Amino acid sequence: QQQVKQSPQSLIVQKGGISIINCAYENTAFDYFPWYQQFPGKGPALLIAIRPDVSEKKEGRFTISFNKSAKQFSLHIMDSQPGDSATYFCAASRARYSGGGADGLTFGKGTHLIIQP
Amino acid sequence: KAGVTQTPRYLIKTRGQQVTLSCSPISGHRSVSWYQQTPGQGLQFLFEYFSETQRNKGNFPGRFSGRQFSNSRSEMNVSTLELGDSALYLCASSLGAVTAAYGYTFGSGTRLTVV
Repeated sequence: QQQVKQSPQSLIVQKGGISIINCAYENTAFDYFPWYQQFPGKGPALLIAIRPDVSEKKEGRFTISFNKSAKQFSLHIMDSQPGDSATYFCAASRARYSGGGADGLTFGKGTHLIIQP
Repeated sequence: KAGVTQTPRYLIKTRGQQVTLSCSPISGHRSVSWYQQTPGQGLQFLFEYFSETQRNKGNFPGRFSGRQFSNSRSEMNVSTLELGDSALYLCASSLGAVTAAYGYTFGSGTRLTVV
């Protein structure tokens, strides 16, 4: 059962354009939603994260939009640059895990983003 | 400040063998998690250790196990390797046990190939 669905699988955007990646989750217990960026040969790196108490969070050119009622969240990359070409993963977890440790992240399948110069 | 270090970077093993992967977290980080990344299944949570105790576990068979030492370094073991265990194994460390407050920092992974 895939608990976090991510779309599109791949995306080509012109330099300077807006890249939009969407995710939907099923588990209403999730209350922490990070986005990760992964370059070939590297591990995922945290880009930006949001909690359900806000509908939008912006950090530089990256913005997360969150719709709690629809159980959806999205990543917007403004003024997309060739250096943004990478694979992007959305994820979800519980902010606090009752077992005392950190909750495991449930990841989407990833979006391969290509920014054309 | 050194990042998360995983060794070895690449590993080739034969079906039926066992393998041990190592992870050194960022200094001061006490939580270590392991993930498996494959083209078909994507990134999947294996387990998490905090203060030398496994606190959380994903949906993987018992062939996958791990441990954490008093210095927070962690090892992951896979016994009786199967071809389907070929994957990139990622370690992630966190300052504390609360996911949202501290986030995770991932290492570059160990690429395991089972032949």
